[in-house]
Amino acid sequence: AQTVTQSQPEMSVQEAETVTLSCTYDTSESDYYLFWYKQPPSRQMILVIRQEAYKQQNATENRFSVNFQKAAKSFSLKISDSQLGDAAMYFCAYRTTNLRNSGNTPLVFGKGTRLSVIA
Amino acid sequence: KAGVTQTPRYLIKTRGQQVTLSCSPISGHRSVSWYQQTPGQGLQFLFEYFSETQRNKGNFPGRFSGRQFSNSRSEMNVSTLELGDSALYLCASSLTNRGYGYTFGSGTRLTVV
Repeated sequence: AQTVTQSQPEMSVQEAETVTLSCTYDTSESDYYLFWYKQPPSRQMILVIRQEAYKQQNATENRFSVNFQKAAKSFSLKISDSQLGDAAMYFCAYRTTNLRNSGNTPLVFGKGTRLSVIA
Repeated sequence: KAGVTQTPRYLIKTRGQQVTLSCSPISGHRSVSWYQQTPGQGLQFLFEYFSETQRNKGNFPGRFSGRQFSNSRSEMNVSTLELGDSALYLCASSLTNRGYGYTFGSGTRLTVV
């Protein structure tokens, strides 16, 4: 079974600084998607960034970028120029591209990293 | 464009009762998935519906069930509630069964007393 591990339960960063959140995963699949979701106190899970495993180029979305190391099964998230609004729980998630029973295979989530931003 | 709507936002139930939660996906989205989030177990997959059929089910007892209507709205039901069912229940929708990305709702916070 696939697993996702986030080894940092909590992290903090000064406003305007850069922080990197770690994520490792275990799978025997060759084609899959990786995601970072943000969950603020409003509870809604918000997609931050996603990466297709077959793409070697690291995904970037404005201040958010990933370092995807497929051989090492590592998928870290870098937040540049941190803002107070970035404070939230961040979840790393994995999903294979294969269909299962003609439906989407479920997301497998890590336990999350709580990010605090210090003004 | 309206997002994923979950109702109610909060719910308090007594042990032994049953509860029904509702999820309205983004217009046009045909796949709806449900997840349970607890501090101890994290986010766990409950089930997924696509075109009114349950496609996948997580490792939860039969007390947890769901359905999807022709307009893609989905409901999940939990019967004979236990204290351990207290959790945030999140619904996510995707355009097709090849969902590259999911859009989540804000969840229903269920407290069982």
